[in-house]
Amino acid sequence: EAGVAQSPRYKIIEKRQSVAFWCNPISGHATLYWYQQILGQGPKLLIQFQNNGVVDDSQLPKDRFSAERLKGVDSTLKIQPAKLEDSAVYLCASSLLGTTTDTQYFGPGTRLTVL
Amino acid sequence: GENVEQHPSTLSVQEGDSAVIKCTYSDSASNYFPWYKQELGKRPQLIIDIRSNVGEKKDQRIAVTLNKTAKHFSLHITETQPEDSAVYFCAGHQLTFGSGTQLTVLP
Repeated sequence: EAGVAQSPRYKIIEKRQSVAFWCNPISGHATLYWYQQILGQGPKLLIQFQNNGVVDDSQLPKDRFSAERLKGVDSTLKIQPAKLEDSAVYLCASSLLGTTTDTQYFGPGTRLTVL
Repeated sequence: GENVEQHPSTLSVQEGDSAVIKCTYSDSASNYFPWYKQELGKRPQLIIDIRSNVGEKKDQRIAVTLNKTAKHFSLHITETQPEDSAVYFCAGHQLTFGSGTQLTVLP
């Protein structure tokens, strides 16, 4: 079974530039999550999709972050404009059903450096 | 929302000894408690989880215990090996993660 795929793996941009990350979840998984993991901290949930609908985006900084999952499969996360504090690893995860007891499978992450 | 606190932040043990990491949570509705292992530069990987209808779960050298009354759950690793060295995260309700424990197993 193929795992969660993410690209790019690394990205370096200057502040105020924009950037986009892509995620392809495990086939058949209805739920997709985006997390931000700042160095030395645990992952923080940014947004959760169930199929192509948003379940929770309460911690997404909506003035600069946006995410979509148009066909209920792949997803993109965008930052515009980027700030220095956005430097982090952005992890995508998926789960089969999205229930509170469902196992999440993480992708390898995209390491973003904002200069 | 849920608040998950994890202790200790760093833990060093001698190879063969046991390691214990503890997490406390605030939301009494929490019913699922996973533990993840994250090696440097890699993705978090689920190593064990427990649901609120059981008090303990074991998988070879790894065990998790849950005390719902006190709202805490713990990860126990016995007979530690150098390859157990990593950062361990607990998680609670609403997909809230603890701050992580850097475990170092000294040979």
